[in-house]
Amino acid sequence: DVKVTQSSRYLVKRTGEKVFLECVQDMDHENMFWYRQDPGLGLRLIYFSYDVKMKEKGDIPEGYSVSREKKERFSLILESASTNQTSMYLCASSGGEQGVGELFFGEGSRLTVL
Amino acid sequence: LAKTTQPISMDSYEGQEVNITCSHNNIATNDYITWYQQFPSQGPRFIIQGYKTKVTNEVASLFIPADRKSSTLSLPRVSLSDTAVYYCLVGRANDYKLSFGAGTTVTVRA
Repeated sequence: DVKVTQSSRYLVKRTGEKVFLECVQDMDHENMFWYRQDPGLGLRLIYFSYDVKMKEKGDIPEGYSVSREKKERFSLILESASTNQTSMYLCASSGGEQGVGELFFGEGSRLTVL
Repeated sequence: LAKTTQPISMDSYEGQEVNITCSHNNIATNDYITWYQQFPSQGPRFIIQGYKTKVTNEVASLFIPADRKSSTLSLPRVSLSDTAVYYCLVGRANDYKLSFGAGTTVTVRA
């Protein structure tokens, strides 16, 4: 069964802390994505990666960075967390050609920044 | 990227058919239409995808008219467990920036 695993379901951090959100997929997918989801705004793409060490900005990359050192792992980094980054973060992966292929999502990581 | 418009919410009762229409007036020739379902506290999951006419699987049917400027997701005989948010997406190969709008919140009542 396909699986995308996010390291933490719930996190509470303080303003200014560095935050790492980890995502691992076991499907040998080329593409991996980080979204954030806020009420009434749907899912917004933060960053995506189509290959190891490759990354592209999504619609809202400000305040975030990513790392993809291995094919199966895609990390989202908040260098200095702020309260407006309190949100649900969703990782996804897909194989082959995006836009035609299916996105597989993790369960999400709910981050609260105090 | 083709922009999509779908209703914010819909209410239904168990056993009824639910039809959610998504407008995508500027859909391009190479674009596919994909629908996802999201339950509370979970990530979205793929339901169905189509290019034209009609596609059916064990969960839903997708109707796409000839001009492809809209599509309708049909959920037959819904149950309480079909209460979820449904997203319509339009995208093509190598289109990484797929846009999930606010989706349609479907509430099924007993």
